[in-house]
Amino acid sequence: DIVMTQAPLSVSVTPGESASISCRSSKSLLHSNGITYVYWYLQKPGKSPQLLIYRMSNLASGVPDRFSGSGSETDFTLKISRVEAEDVGIYYCGQLLENPYTFGAGTKLELK
Amino acid sequence: QVQLKESGPGLVQPSQTLSLTCTVSGFSLTSYSVHWVRQHSGKSLEWMGRMWSDGDTSYNSAFTSRLSISRDTSKSQVFLKMNSLQTEDTGTYYCARNLKDWGQGVMVTVSS
Repeated sequence: DIVMTQAPLSVSVTPGESASISCRSSKSLLHSNGITYVYWYLQKPGKSPQLLIYRMSNLASGVPDRFSGSGSETDFTLKISRVEAEDVGIYYCGQLLENPYTFGAGTKLELK
Repeated sequence: QVQLKESGPGLVQPSQTLSLTCTVSGFSLTSYSVHWVRQHSGKSLEWMGRMWSDGDTSYNSAFTSRLSISRDTSKSQVFLKMNSLQTEDTGTYYCARNLKDWGQGVMVTVSS
């Protein structure tokens, strides 16, 4: 199985500042079709996960453009610009390249 | 508006079979995949399997032969059945369209 390793496990951010979360996969997530199958989710307290970024750098519908995704074949970054109170929760990266789809352990974002 | 809603028993006895239903609206099961994902309390996400739009299924081998996913397109429902439940199967079970739109989840406790 592809292992997804996230860092840090938690981050504390001052509102208005930026935050970055890293994710590393144990195998390249670049498909032969040129698409990199890494996804980012936010799970707010007591809620279901919500998709933020798909295929490494595509913003999901309705997601503020303060969120952005980037990376290479195995190393990925989610950046949140101008963090707001509504961004609090646990962020997960996931790979949808091959069965079984797997997710990172999560990064908890809190406000200072 | 895309909606998914999980339903099923909140309590299941060890060694028994779990049966969950995902009722969807706002889209056709013949056009989109529906996935099942499990989350142990305070833990990350675990992909269980999917019902493809063509009716085929894929499973996480971690569940070996315990898991079965089926559907009734006339009722817009996808079903999960998992047998030989153990206490470690306790958690919240989600269905999700294309791992993009998620249901609210249903909490399942395995206990005698």
